[in-house]
Amino acid sequence: AQKITQTQPGMFVQEKEAVTLDCTYDTSDPSYGLFWYKQPSSGEMIFLIYQGSYDQQNATEGRYSLNFQKARKSANLVISASQLGDSAMYFCAMREFNTGNQFYFGTGTSLTVIP
Amino acid sequence: DAGVTQSPTHLIKTRGQHVTLRCSPISGHKSVSWYQQVLGQGPQFIFQYYEKEERGRGNFPDRFSARQFPNYSSELNVNALLLGDSALYLCASSTSRNSAYDGYTFGSGTRLTVV
Repeated sequence: AQKITQTQPGMFVQEKEAVTLDCTYDTSDPSYGLFWYKQPSSGEMIFLIYQGSYDQQNATEGRYSLNFQKARKSANLVISASQLGDSAMYFCAMREFNTGNQFYFGTGTSLTVIP
Repeated sequence: DAGVTQSPTHLIKTRGQHVTLRCSPISGHKSVSWYQQVLGQGPQFIFQYYEKEERGRGNFPDRFSARQFPNYSSELNVNALLLGDSALYLCASSTSRNSAYDGYTFGSGTRLTVV
């Protein structure tokens, strides 16, 4: 079974609008971390936001917020007030505490911001 | 501060050849991980090294090997290259070895093309 599933290969959003990128995960480990990374065409993976499995509140980092629904095993990324520079690939990832030495990544979502 | 540095940025090799990719972690980071990202996919874990010892290995054949040096830099070696080895190879460094929270810092990667 896939550890991380991203079902949106591509998304479009109007500049200044909000967009939600979907992510579901699968784990039996009660302690884990969920991450979102941005990958521009240059290739570097840029860390955006983190949510721990025991965190009571949804994580926020500037224009990024993570909609964490533990029972549904979903960790959707919300980008508010989209900017042209947000156009990139976005990857959801997970690390499990008991085997925390690797990231499991989804297949990514390509976001295009339209002027 | 210098980020994670990878070299070379691009290279082209012929099937059957050998390749060495290099990674310099952020100063003070003792853990280095390698990931392979095939076009259109998310990164897949290859190796993690911490304090010069292998701490984790993904589902890759023995043609893939790596090592970490006393200055914590690392090399990834791939023997008997196949066309399917064409990918972006990402290096990530971190201060710790095994923590669900500790997000890694990624380099910009090496784009390997096998012809």
